[in-house]
Amino acid sequence: GENVEQHPSTLSVQEGDSAVIKCTYSDSASNYFPWYKQELGKGSQLIIDIRSNVGEKKDQRIAVTLNKTAKHFSLHITETQPEDSAVYFCAAALTDSWGKLQFGAGTQVVVTP
Amino acid sequence: DAGVTQSPTHLIKTRGQQVTLRCSPKSGHDTVSWYQQALGQGPQFIFQYYEEEERQRGNFPDRFSGHQFPNYSSELNVNALLLGDSALYLCASSSWGQSNQPQHFGDGTRLSIL
Repeated sequence: GENVEQHPSTLSVQEGDSAVIKCTYSDSASNYFPWYKQELGKGSQLIIDIRSNVGEKKDQRIAVTLNKTAKHFSLHITETQPEDSAVYFCAAALTDSWGKLQFGAGTQVVVTP
Repeated sequence: DAGVTQSPTHLIKTRGQQVTLRCSPKSGHDTVSWYQQALGQGPQFIFQYYEEEERQRGNFPDRFSGHQFPNYSSELNVNALLLGDSALYLCASSSWGQSNQPQHFGDGTRLSIL
């Protein structure tokens, strides 16, 4: 089955700096890659996703890049703000198993003022 | 437009007991997936329901079962609770067959086993 590895497990950045989280996946048939943000005591909120027919996607300060050959994808957060502090999870899924997301272990991001 | 709602928010049980968790999907969604998230880990897929049938299942024992109702809401049942079942249980909803529609998660039910 699919296996997703996520690094780093913790990330501390100064407010205004950029943060990058990287994930690798094992199943080359995976073609959907969402990123979720989880704040303390809450469920996971989808912040951006990308499909395998696209190499990069951007939404304001957040961007995701996908390298299908190397089987890795990354989340980039620019101009970080204190409210970006949370746990971020990457995930992967197959088209015919759309509801079965395989998650990484998460990255705790701390943005210090 | 209500999002995914789960109840209860917290629950405390003892080993050997049984528990039922509930989920109402986001308006317009007909598919419900359940995940277990242990402390410090990512969510693990338990199973998915569509048209009142289990469509996919992860690597969880038969003690974990579910149900979906005609109004698309769903229940997760866990029998013979073990200490290791302590976790945050997340429900996610989506639209079946629409591969461009992402899953939306509820805030979860925190289950503690004593």
